[in-house]
Amino acid sequence: EAQVTQNPRYLITVTGKKLTVTCSQNMNHEYMSWYRQDPGLGLRQIYYSMNVEVTDKGDVPEGYKVSRKEKRNFPLILESPSPNQTSLYFCASSLRLAGHLRGNEQFFGPGTRLTVL
Amino acid sequence: AQKITQTQPGMFVQEKEAVTLDCTYDTSDPSYGLFWYKQPSSGEMIFLIYQGSYDQQNATEGRYSLNFQKARKSANLVISASQLGDSAMYFCAMRANPGAQKLVFGQGTRLTINP
Repeated sequence: EAQVTQNPRYLITVTGKKLTVTCSQNMNHEYMSWYRQDPGLGLRQIYYSMNVEVTDKGDVPEGYKVSRKEKRNFPLILESPSPNQTSLYFCASSLRLAGHLRGNEQFFGPGTRLTVL
Repeated sequence: AQKITQTQPGMFVQEKEAVTLDCTYDTSDPSYGLFWYKQPSSGEMIFLIYQGSYDQQNATEGRYSLNFQKARKSANLVISASQLGDSAMYFCAMRANPGAQKLVFGQGTRLTINP
């Protein structure tokens, strides 16, 4: 089954304790991305990756790190989490096509609900 | 810069009625795609329908159709014969040229279907 998986699904942690949220896709997609969702703000992009070893900042990258050592995996790292990073996080993947072409819809993981105390 | 605007924070509709969720967009790129996603209370993001900027016909997927008016830069989602299971948050999103790979999302519309 084609899917994007994220772990953990729920996490409660304390300020300053490093954590990693894993993301993996089995569709051989070049493009992967992390979003955070906050009430009233929709989804905002944190980081994205066009392919292995190619990553770049999105709209809200502060406080986050990513890596793309393998095509299927794109972990999100919070080196020193703070309460303002409490949010719902989504990983997504897609083919890398021109914007108007069919088939480039992004597939989302189930989400990770993070609470930083 | 690309922008998506959803002006309806919430909508209440009777079961079996049709419903239109509004979405307007702004981009200077000629090549773009428009998407609608559904987010039920369980939280996952479910892809519903896609419209490409060069598509001549409006997209349809089962009970979902997209009313694409390019000159007005609008991409409204129409759900025919609404069901209780359609109650969810709905997001309109846009993806422009490969140079801007991200999806830009609107703030969403919370749809509630009443029995």
